[in-house]
Amino acid sequence: GAGVSQTPSNKVTEKGKYVELRCDPISGHTALYWYRQSLGQGPEFLIYFQGTGAADDSGLPNDRFFAVRPEGSVSTLKIQRTERGDSAVYLCASSFYTDANTGELFFGEGSRLTVL
Amino acid sequence: AQSVSQHNHHVILSEAASLELGCNYSYGGTVNLFWYVQYPGQHLQLLLKYFSGDPLVKGIKGFEAEFIKSKFSFNLRKPSVQWSDTAEYFCAVNEKGGGFKTIFGAGTRLFVKA
Repeated sequence: GAGVSQTPSNKVTEKGKYVELRCDPISGHTALYWYRQSLGQGPEFLIYFQGTGAADDSGLPNDRFFAVRPEGSVSTLKIQRTERGDSAVYLCASSFYTDANTGELFFGEGSRLTVL
Repeated sequence: AQSVSQHNHHVILSEAASLELGCNYSYGGTVNLFWYVQYPGQHLQLLLKYFSGDPLVKGIKGFEAEFIKSKFSFNLRKPSVQWSDTAEYFCAVNEKGGGFKTIFGAGTRLFVKA
């Protein structure tokens, strides 16, 4: 597709369950980012990938959160033992990374996670 | 720690009023600066960006922003707002050569009365 695609758009789960959120970036974009946005807040950086490897995962809040990008395209954010505080909109973005450009981000619509 | 501060959380204006949204950042290195906008029901999208050269940059829909390095600021302006500018605006920064980890401010929600 032309833009960043995220699925599911909405996910309701129970506390303690496991959740996977998927992101399909713009074709040809080498960098992929995950952000979390809580109500009334700006996007909070979680992790970004350059190719298949996680270049910076300093924003992952704890070891319940994990993300992969095995083939350098689609990425999956995985949350184990979900807690009510994990409820937020999870945003994925991609960009075409070179040292010469600025890293403009192209965002998807987000996946709204609600943990009951 | 790197941070971005937006001074106004909510702004209400009448159409044709002038707009200025404040943004300050705390960053040790040379930076790229951005304003992103999220219209109701839509995803975040780039409004304008600064990376080098003229510190006054122009973006879409008549918006502009001025980078003042000495003040670590990148304020967004528009001389005359329209009802269609109702949206949430986010200031963001990344560090040149830093791998493009982009940090966002908390956002300013703008409501323009018709």
